[in-house]
Parts: sequence; C-alpha cells; structure tokens
Amino acid sequence: EVQLVESGGGLVKPGGSLRLSCAASGFTFSSYSMNWVRQAPGKGLEWVSSISSSSSSIYYADSVKGRFTISRDNAKNSLYLQMNSLRAEDTAVYYCARDEPFFDYWGQGTPVTVSS
Amino acid sequence: SYELTQPPSVSVSPGQTASITCSGDKLGNKYACWYQQKPGQSPVLVIYEDSKRPSGIPERFSGSNSGNTATLTISGTQAMDEADYYCQAWDSSTVVFGGGTKLTVL
Repeated sequence: EVQLVESGGGLVKPGGSLRLSCAASGFTFSSYSMNWVRQAPGKGLEWVSSISSSSSSIYYADSVKGRFTISRDNAKNSLYLQMNSLRAEDTAVYYCARDEPFFDYWGQGTPVTVSS
Repeated sequence: SYELTQPPSVSVSPGQTASITCSGDKLGNKYACWYQQKPGQSPVLVIYEDSKRPSGIPERFSGSNSGNTATLTISGTQAMDEADYYCQAWDSSTVVFGGGTKLTVL
C-alpha cells in the first residue's frame, strides 16, 4: 500500500525557517518524481515545487522561489522541503504528492502557521 | 503565467448530471486531470489524462478535454459526491491548478 506521511509542520515566526519531511512507503520511491502542494486556510490548492526521481530537475512556484528548497534522499525514501524567510502568506497545509505526472497519491498534510 | 479558470460553485440535484468546466488557453493540447477534496481530507485523483479513471473511482465520473475547455462530468450524482473539485495541468514544467469548484448536491 502506497503511503506518504508528512511531518515537521508547526508554528513559526515571520522570517523563520522550517523543514518539512515526507516519508514514503509501498512503492519504489527512487523511480518517481515528487511534489509539494499547499493549501491556505479556506483556499484552493497551490503547487509549490517538484523534484525528479534523481534530483536532476527541480522546479518552484514563483511565490517560493529563492526561499524554499526541495530535496530528496532516495536511500531513506524521503522527500524534504526547507522553508526559509517564511511569511504570513506561507501559512497552509503542506501536502506531498507522488507524480505520475498526475498526482495519484497524496499524504495527509502537515500544517504550517507563520505568525508572530 | 498559465491560468486555469473554474466556476466557483455548481449545484445539482441528486441523480442528475453535474458538469464542471476548466478553461485555459489551448488546454486541449495538454493533459488535464481532476481531484476531489472533501472537508478535512486530502485531495483524491478522480480523472487523469483527460478522461481516464483511476481504479476505485466510480464509472459515473468522466472527463473530456478539447479546445480551451476540460470538463468533469458526474452522471447520476450522489450526495457523497458533494465536495470541492480542482482541475490541474502542466505548463512548461510547472503545475497549475484551477481555483476549485464547490459542488453542492441539493
């Protein structure tokens, strides 16, 4: 059974940093591109970043470019999102999703709140 | 940047057919997919590559994509189909979501 479990969310002050993790199981993680998608409270889905299976191709939404860094460790079946210079508008539930290139599996999400 | 436009809300009576549109420039030249999201839950893929259904998705869900518009159609809509629906496509290595449509079954 495919499982994606996010962790690392929490409350952080504006300008602070946070590192999200996504633990994958039930499939050959190293064969798939992965993505981060977020959803602000009461709002729609917003794509954040994608990373190819070998980390050779990485893409970011303009809203996070230069502040967020996506990475993965195929040996640990894990996906990461390093978030720096956080702003109030980054407050959202962050989901990791497997890329087929449609998103066929999603995690349960981890909430991030940026507030003083 | 590329944009996908969905109606904010659609209403349908139980047993009737619901259609949710997603508009974007030359969207028919790209693959569109659709996600269903119920309150407090993660999104679920219901249609991929314009018209394919993942295993476990009921046959009443179907999709099409031509010209500038992709359409999600739910035939014989049930109360359990009440949810937010999002279209999605890729554009130049970036992912674009529509703004979402709240489907109300009343």
